[in-house]
Amino acid sequence: KAGVTQTPRYLIKTRGQQVTLSCSPISGHRSVSWYQQTPGQGLQFLFEYFSETQRNKGNFPGRFSGRQFSNSRSEMNVSTLELGDSALYLCASSPEGQLNQPQHFGDGTRLSIL
Amino acid sequence: AQKVTQAQTEISVVEKEDVTLDCVYETRDTTYYLFWYKQPPSGELVFLIRRNSFDEQNEISGRYSWNFQKSTSSFNFTITASQVVDSAVYFCALRKKSSGDKLTFGTGTRLAVRP
Repeated sequence: KAGVTQTPRYLIKTRGQQVTLSCSPISGHRSVSWYQQTPGQGLQFLFEYFSETQRNKGNFPGRFSGRQFSNSRSEMNVSTLELGDSALYLCASSPEGQLNQPQHFGDGTRLSIL
Repeated sequence: AQKVTQAQTEISVVEKEDVTLDCVYETRDTTYYLFWYKQPPSGELVFLIRRNSFDEQNEISGRYSWNFQKSTSSFNFTITASQVVDSAVYFCALRKKSSGDKLTFGTGTRLAVRP
């Protein structure tokens, strides 16, 4: 069974630009969550999608947005990039309704803002 | 609000030593789930173990074991006979039933196993 796939693995952008990251969950998993990891703030929850609907949202500004498609693939978008957005962005998927089951993470997208 | 604390920032051991990683959590929910993940230098988070709030039985799985105590809100993780390949950052995480899939992570413990 293929794992969670995130693309691209690395990305370099400049301040003010926007970026879109992609996540393909494990086959059969319908819930997708996004996390931001930085040295200063650690791992922080961004949002969760299920059935193309945002089900939960962390404390991030509106510049961070996401969506989920009918095949459960998800994208997250960051507009007007700031230097502080430099981070590892991790996507995780899990079977719906099984909270005792772990989320499975992708390799992440490392975003650098110049 | 929920919180996960990993007081140990870095641990260094010599290969074959046993090492215990500490995790203390805070939540008002009665139903919750605890996880340990490992993050090697490559970046992905690898699931290791889990425990439900209503099951305090401690277990051993290979070289891994865990000690879950609701009375002290702790979920400690032990690696027996550590190996160099165990070198990574280890994260403890909490998921509340009321928050769906949202995981609250601790700040992580960096483990270095020296040959």
